[in-house]
Amino acid sequence: QKEVEQDPGPLSVPEGAIVSLNCTYSNSAFQYFMWYRQYSRKGPELLMYTYSSGNKEDGRFTAQVDKSSKYISLFIRDSQPSDSATYLCAMRGNTGGFKTIFGAGTRLFVKA
Amino acid sequence: GAVVSQHPSWVICKSGTSVKIECRSLDFQATTMFWYRQFPKQSLMLMATSNEGSKATYEQGVEKDKFLINHASLTLSTLTVTSAHPEDSSFYICSARDRDTSLKQYFGPGTRLTVT
Repeated sequence: QKEVEQDPGPLSVPEGAIVSLNCTYSNSAFQYFMWYRQYSRKGPELLMYTYSSGNKEDGRFTAQVDKSSKYISLFIRDSQPSDSATYLCAMRGNTGGFKTIFGAGTRLFVKA
Repeated sequence: GAVVSQHPSWVICKSGTSVKIECRSLDFQATTMFWYRQFPKQSLMLMATSNEGSKATYEQGVEKDKFLINHASLTLSTLTVTSAHPEDSSFYICSARDRDTSLKQYFGPGTRLTVT
């Protein structure tokens, strides 16, 4: 079993839809949870980060962490064609030596 | 803030030659830098972790003599692909962890290497 599981998609939605992206994980030591957006042929861009459980909102993006279920989500409201990209979840533990573990990435297409 | 640059953005080289890729943190100091490799439509594969002033730690299966990493300062790390072969063709991405906010890891734009 992989430490982080993420459905690679592709996920195709119409413009304006609410998008839900998810990851599950197995390591209970993970404390920090991140979402990155990667456009084709570009490096990943940090979108959201959260510590421990709870919600965090930034504009059209909301990140949720449920540590009891080992499940994290990223919601995108009013999705736009420019949101079309690959979204990677990532997580790590609480000490300097912990590596960041990335999900496989979900490819999202938002159709105009 | 938190910009990581890479140079070159793309390079084509002949088999058997060596290629150096630079990674710089432009507006923060990075005690730790990471080098990843990414194949088309696949996720990031960590190759090695480098800490400023010390030897890099390579992931299992990554040849340290082929992929030379140097982290000479808090803002610069280099990856040299030695005696490159066509199978080394890939997208190489560096990442830097901010010394002051060690949680956050920022990525460079990547370097596309094609070995002919």
